Amino acid sequence: ELKVEQNPLFLSMQEGKNYTIYCNYSTTSDRLYWYRQDPGKSLESLFVLLSNGAVKQEGRLMASLDTKARLSTLHITAAVHDLSATYFCAVYTGEYGNKLVFGAGTILRVKS
Amino acid sequence: DTEVTQTPKHLVMGMTNKKSLKCEQHMGHRAMYWYKQKAKKPPELMFVYSYEKLSINESVPSRFSPECPNSSLLNLHLHALQPEDSALYLCASSYPGGSSYNEQFFGPGTRLTVL
Repeated sequence: ELKVEQNPLFLSMQEGKNYTIYCNYSTTSDRLYWYRQDPGKSLESLFVLLSNGAVKQEGRLMASLDTKARLSTLHITAAVHDLSATYFCAVYTGEYGNKLVFGAGTILRVKS
Repeated sequence: DTEVTQTPKHLVMGMTNKKSLKCEQHMGHRAMYWYKQKAKKPPELMFVYSYEKLSINESVPSRFSPECPNSSLLNLHLHALQPEDSALYLCASSYPGGSSYNEQFFGPGTRLTVL
């Protein structure tokens, strides 16, 4: 059974600082997704990572995937308050029906 | 049209009521999903429809009954719910398995409160 572990679960950052969120998963998968969720809102797709070594960047966020290590990272550069949200990674299980398993989520708070 | 819509936004119901949640997408996606999300938790998959057929049922209690009338529409029928069923119910859609992308697009959700 696929397990997805995210850490840290809570991250309080100062504006302008850098930090990384980690997403480890237990069995082979070639697809990993990062989502953002604002309080009381739905999930917004941030990145789709489809192969080993994939790197995607959007603004101050950069995501990467190492399928051999079963690890994805979400790196935050020079954080700003607007990045405060909960970030989830989700891993494709390969099961028919495109089932994803979500990590527990990282609550990010950026303080000015 | 690149969005998933859900109605209603909020729903309050008693334990003896019957109600339905509705989800619609016009992106040509052939896989649609229902998730339940409790506060400060990740979404939990409930059901998956692929090409209008139920392909995954994650052992959800029978008081939740999904329906996929056509490729654009997904319903969740609710009956005799319990207070612990109060949650945010999210619908999502994607291209079905086998596609290289499979990105799931989520609707805004229905906030359900069971009294």
